[in-house]
Amino acid sequence: DARVTQTPRHKVTEMGQEVTMRCQPILGHNTVFWYRQTMMQGLELLAYFRNRAPLDDSGMPKDRFSAEMPDATLATLKIQPSEPRDSAVYFCASGLVLGLDAYEQYFGPGTRLTVT
Amino acid sequence: SQKIEQNSEALNIQEGKTATLTCNYTNYSPAYLQWYRQDPGRGPVFLLLIRENEKEKRKERLKVTFDTTLKQSLFHITASQPADSATYLCALRDMDTGRRALTFGSGTRLQVQP
Repeated sequence: DARVTQTPRHKVTEMGQEVTMRCQPILGHNTVFWYRQTMMQGLELLAYFRNRAPLDDSGMPKDRFSAEMPDATLATLKIQPSEPRDSAVYFCASGLVLGLDAYEQYFGPGTRLTVT
Repeated sequence: SQKIEQNSEALNIQEGKTATLTCNYTNYSPAYLQWYRQDPGRGPVFLLLIRENEKEKRKERLKVTFDTTLKQSLFHITASQPADSATYLCALRDMDTGRRALTFGSGTRLQVQP
């Protein structure tokens, strides 16, 4: 049963600290997404990759957030320095996109981040 | 400005009834629209996809309609069960921007009473 995995599941940190979240997409999927979900803003796209290349990171505060895919089995999202307003659930999702065809996204369980 | 609107108030219905959830959008030209289910503490799970040239799609007790004139999608769950209680999110891919990513609505929470 293929699924997206994320670590850690929960993270509590102090303001100013670096936070790294990791995601293992489903094997064979060529597109990876990072989302942030809060009660106020809902599910917001931060960045996404196709074949490990970043396609869009316009949703991400660039001064403190960075997203990478060192290889096809690992995507990372880093926040440095973290701030209380970054507290949210961060989801990774993957999908298989072929040309312009539609696709569904498979979400991981999320990382619940609390910055105090 | 672009908006995807779902009823923010929870929908409470009795078991066995049909639940109907609404997704309205403004200033998008969706290539397709998707519906996801999200349970507390979990990531969204894909349910159905409907393309711009399709009026209706069904899967077991689920039915989705898509009206590009009204700029609206309706999501129906027939013979609802308490296990259907969850938050339901609509999402669309906008053709105009060429952006491959989905934009999500804020979701509607459904509560099915036994």
